[in-house]
Amino acid sequence: SQTIHQWPATLVQPVGSPLSLECTVEGTSNPNLYWYRQAAGRGLQLLFYSVGIGQISSEVPQNLSASRPQDRQFILSSKKLLLSDSGFYLCACSGQGAQGYTFGSGTRLTVV
Amino acid sequence: GQSLEQPSEVTAVEGAIVQINCTYQTSGFYGLSWYQQHDGGAPTFLSYNGLDGLEETGRFSSFLSRSDSYGYLLLQELQMKDSASYFCAVRTGANNLFFGTGTRLTVIP
Repeated sequence: SQTIHQWPATLVQPVGSPLSLECTVEGTSNPNLYWYRQAAGRGLQLLFYSVGIGQISSEVPQNLSASRPQDRQFILSSKKLLLSDSGFYLCACSGQGAQGYTFGSGTRLTVV
Repeated sequence: GQSLEQPSEVTAVEGAIVQINCTYQTSGFYGLSWYQQHDGGAPTFLSYNGLDGLEETGRFSSFLSRSDSYGYLLLQELQMKDSASYFCAVRTGANNLFFGTGTRLTVIP
């Protein structure tokens, strides 16, 4: 079965600072990978997805970027954080033919 | 635009049955999924309906009617640990899983 490792669990960053969140996947090869953001008490908003190394699709315009340097590694970045970037960031993967996504444990980001 | 509507909160008694409804309006439809999320935790996959009808997995069942753009999650023999948020999600494309805003279920003794 697929396992997603995501870190850090919590992060407090000042406005204008850079961001790098990392996600790695075990138990599958060539997964589709996703970054979601969840605001407090809200649903999940898809930010980026990747179907392979170096292939990134953005779903919403924003202050963030994503990269996939290796098959099982997905990175979410920002050069300068905004207050509105605060939220719960979740990495997810779907294997071939899988109907359900597997989520990582998430990173709770607070921009101050 | 795309929208998924589900009740924001539901309260039910331990041992009872509860149904969480979801209606959707999306530009594409490849199936309806349900996820459970405990406070502070990550969503976990519960069920998937690609075709009309009922899917049963233990105490949980999920139903889909594509003609009505409607589905529901049925939880039987409720337990205290079932207190969580439940999200319906529609796969609108090969790589787009669109989530509702979630239903917070509170199970009371």
